[in-house]
Amino acid sequence: KAGVTQTPRYLIKTRGQQVTLSCSPISGHRSVSWYQQTPGQGLQFLFEYFSETQRNKGNFPGRFSGRQFSNSRSEMNVSTLELGDSALYLCASSLRWRGNTEAFFGQGTRLTVV
Amino acid sequence: DAKTTQPPSMDCAEGRAANLPCNHSTISGNEYVYWYRQIHSQGPQYIIHGLKNNETNEMASLIITEDRKSSTLILPHATLRDTAVYYCIVRVEQAGTALIFGKGTTLSVSS
Repeated sequence: KAGVTQTPRYLIKTRGQQVTLSCSPISGHRSVSWYQQTPGQGLQFLFEYFSETQRNKGNFPGRFSGRQFSNSRSEMNVSTLELGDSALYLCASSLRWRGNTEAFFGQGTRLTVV
Repeated sequence: DAKTTQPPSMDCAEGRAANLPCNHSTISGNEYVYWYRQIHSQGPQYIIHGLKNNETNEMASLIITEDRKSSTLILPHATLRDTAVYYCIVRVEQAGTALIFGKGTTLSVSS
């Protein structure tokens, strides 16, 4: 079956703009989580969604937001982009929110802020 | 913050077993040990997880010490394609799917 799909794969934005990234989880998976990866900070948890509700949030400013739709697809939005937001943004889907469940990651969206 | 400590890098000869250690001395009774790996510029890939018993699947074996303060991931016959960053993560399964990554171990497999 198809894996986790993230679109777009690459994106270049100007400082001050906003951006929306999309994630389609594996069919049947209901939990989606987002991560930011930078060379300096490594992989950092942003937030996770289950049943259209944000369940947990990492330590990121309010400029970072997300949502999940009834079909489990998720989007994340970053407003007022800063140069430091340049990163690989990864989405992961899981069958459930709790319990013995592994996370499957997409290939990520590479965001460059200039 | 990550609750695990791993060596920053390790080398392994192709065909030999790769043994990757992880220290999680503050692990709680309801925390599982998960291992993921990330091959350059790809999304992390799940490898294996366990609570207190040793586990084995088609990719690897996980050995957890009796006191659960440390564990070892074993790749029995490493290949060049196993070159990656390996992350050891402790997770409370009832707390959600969030994974708190540390810096991981960069495993370099050479011929």
